[in-house]
Amino acid sequence: KAGVTQTPRYLIKTRGQQVTLSCSPISGHRSVSWYQQTPGQGLQFLFEYFSETQRNKGNFPGRFSGRQFSNSRSEMNVSTLELGDSALYLCASSPRGGQHEAFFGQGTRLTVV
Amino acid sequence: GDSVTQMEGPVTLSEEAFLTINCTYTATGYPSLFWYVQYPGEGLQLLLKATKADDKGSNKGFEATYRKETTSFHLEKGSVQVSDSAVYFCALSVNSGGSNYKLTFGKGTLLTVNP
Repeated sequence: KAGVTQTPRYLIKTRGQQVTLSCSPISGHRSVSWYQQTPGQGLQFLFEYFSETQRNKGNFPGRFSGRQFSNSRSEMNVSTLELGDSALYLCASSPRGGQHEAFFGQGTRLTVV
Repeated sequence: GDSVTQMEGPVTLSEEAFLTINCTYTATGYPSLFWYVQYPGEGLQLLLKATKADDKGSNKGFEATYRKETTSFHLEKGSVQVSDSAVYFCALSVNSGGSNYKLTFGKGTLLTVNP
């Protein structure tokens, strides 16, 4: 069974631009969550989608948004990039979310210059 | 709110030494508890989990027991290997009516095992 796939693996963007990251969950998994990992703040929850609906959202500004498609694939978008958005963005999939374990992708390393 | 506190590293051990990484938690409900491991340049991999009090999760020689009375989930391994060098994260999730699922992570503990 294929794991969670995130594309691209690496991105370099300029301040003020926007970026879209993609995540393909494990087949059959309907819950997709996104996390931001930085050295200073650690792992922080961005949002979770289940069956195309956002179920939960972390404490991030509105510049961070996401969506989920009918095939459970998910995208997250960051608009008006700031230097502080440089981070590893991790996607995790789970069969149904809740208290089931999450399976993580390798992440997208975003660098904002 | 929910939170996880784990011992901060770095932790440096010699091969075959005993490992303990402490983890305590605060949760509004009845959490499930997890240990994840992150190797350099990689995402997180689930190492083990426990879903109720006194459950013991185990995998690859690592163990952790869900202690509700002390709100702890300490990670242990009897004999570490060089290949265990990684960052270890303790995490919890609480099902608040099924609509507030998220993982709350500790800060991570960097483990280095020397030959």
